[in-house]
Amino acid sequence: DMKVTQMPRYLIKRMGENVLLECGQDMSHETMYWYRQDPGLGLQLIYISYDVDSNSEGDIPKGYRVSRKKREHFSLILDSAKTNQTSVYFCASSPGQGVANSDYTFGSGTRLLVI
Amino acid sequence: KTQVEQSPQSLVVRQGENCVLQCNYSVTPDNHLRWFKQDTGKGLVSLTVLVDQKDKTSNGRYSATLDKDAKHSTLHITATLLDDTATYICVVGDRGSALGRLHFGAGTQLIVIP
Repeated sequence: DMKVTQMPRYLIKRMGENVLLECGQDMSHETMYWYRQDPGLGLQLIYISYDVDSNSEGDIPKGYRVSRKKREHFSLILDSAKTNQTSVYFCASSPGQGVANSDYTFGSGTRLLVI
Repeated sequence: KTQVEQSPQSLVVRQGENCVLQCNYSVTPDNHLRWFKQDTGKGLVSLTVLVDQKDKTSNGRYSATLDKDAKHSTLHITATLLDDTATYICVVGDRGSALGRLHFGAGTQLIVIP
């Protein structure tokens, strides 16, 4: 069953703590994404990864960094979390570059609350 | 500035009724347009992809249209079921590859009541 798995599903952190969100996919997709979803807004792209150690900033990268050491695994790190980073974070994956109209598979999201 | 606008913001229909969701966008270039369904607390599931200048797709009770000249898409849901209750998100891709960006609308929240 092809899927994107996100861990944890729910997370509460205090302001200033470090946060690690993990994402895995079993489809050998080259490209992976981290988005955040806030009420009333469309999903916003934080980072995109084209393959292992090939990461690019998205539209809102400030306050975040990523790590991709294996093709099937993509991590989002918040160093010293802020309350405005409370959100729902989605990971997604798609086949590699040059594939027109790539299909996208989304994880179920991680709900992060920073207090 | 929001490049993908969806309307209505929310919609309540009775089970069995039909409904139409609208999507207007200003994304350029507009390579393709997708409609996703997002159940509460879940991820996005793709319903359909539209590619051509004037395109139509059908997937069971879901059908969609795209007019790239008008930069407008519609999603029709026929004979709604309670399980259709969800948020429907319009997404425009500005290229046909992983190098392209997806531009997301904020979604239309559909509630189907008995």
